[in-house]
Amino acid sequence: EPEVTQTPSHQVTQMGQEVILRCVPISNHLYFYWYRQILGQKVEFLVSFYNNEISEKSEIFDDQFSVERPDGSNFTLKIRSTKLEDSAMYFCASKSPPWTGGYEQYFGPGTRLTVT
Amino acid sequence: SQQGEEDPQALSIQEGENATMNCSYKTSINNLQWYRQNSGRGLVHLILIRSNEREKHSGRLRVTLDTSKKSSSLLITASRAADTASYFCATVAMDSSYKLIFGSGTRLLVRP
Repeated sequence: EPEVTQTPSHQVTQMGQEVILRCVPISNHLYFYWYRQILGQKVEFLVSFYNNEISEKSEIFDDQFSVERPDGSNFTLKIRSTKLEDSAMYFCASKSPPWTGGYEQYFGPGTRLTVT
Repeated sequence: SQQGEEDPQALSIQEGENATMNCSYKTSINNLQWYRQNSGRGLVHLILIRSNEREKHSGRLRVTLDTSKKSSSLLITASRAADTASYFCATVAMDSSYKLIFGSGTRLLVRP
């Protein structure tokens, strides 16, 4: 069964450093998302991406964040200058087009980001 | 903001019993979904109910939706120890990028 994959599973970085989190969505999906979950808290929406552009972003997704789909398979989240409060689990998700009946999202296993 | 809130926050039951979790939200929705998360892992989609549906079943899962009260419930029947996980409701707004807005979740413990 196709699945969303994410690398690395755990990233430790120092405050102020740049990190890139990588995701490979399911191949025939067209909608891509990043969410984050701070330890013990709810899952929060960061950004959605469709047709090679951001379709929606949350207040969390400020100028320090960017997303890219550099080729036909990868979907990346970059944090330019990490802060302590960026420490969280970051989940990538993908979804098939609604005209195929696909409303559910498929999540990757997550990348645990620890900023020290 | 559209936000799902769930209760109870934590639920502990004996294997074989039923578990009911509730979710409330604030704005109009296209659909509501329930996801499961095992400790520290990714989320797995369980079931989706559209705004024009009132009840849906999938195996041991039963979900209801009351759009007039802006609430939903998830019932897991004949629970098993393997059902131990966190359960989240998530709403999709009428006009959005189909993003999910998650509730705070219910931590379910099923004791063998």
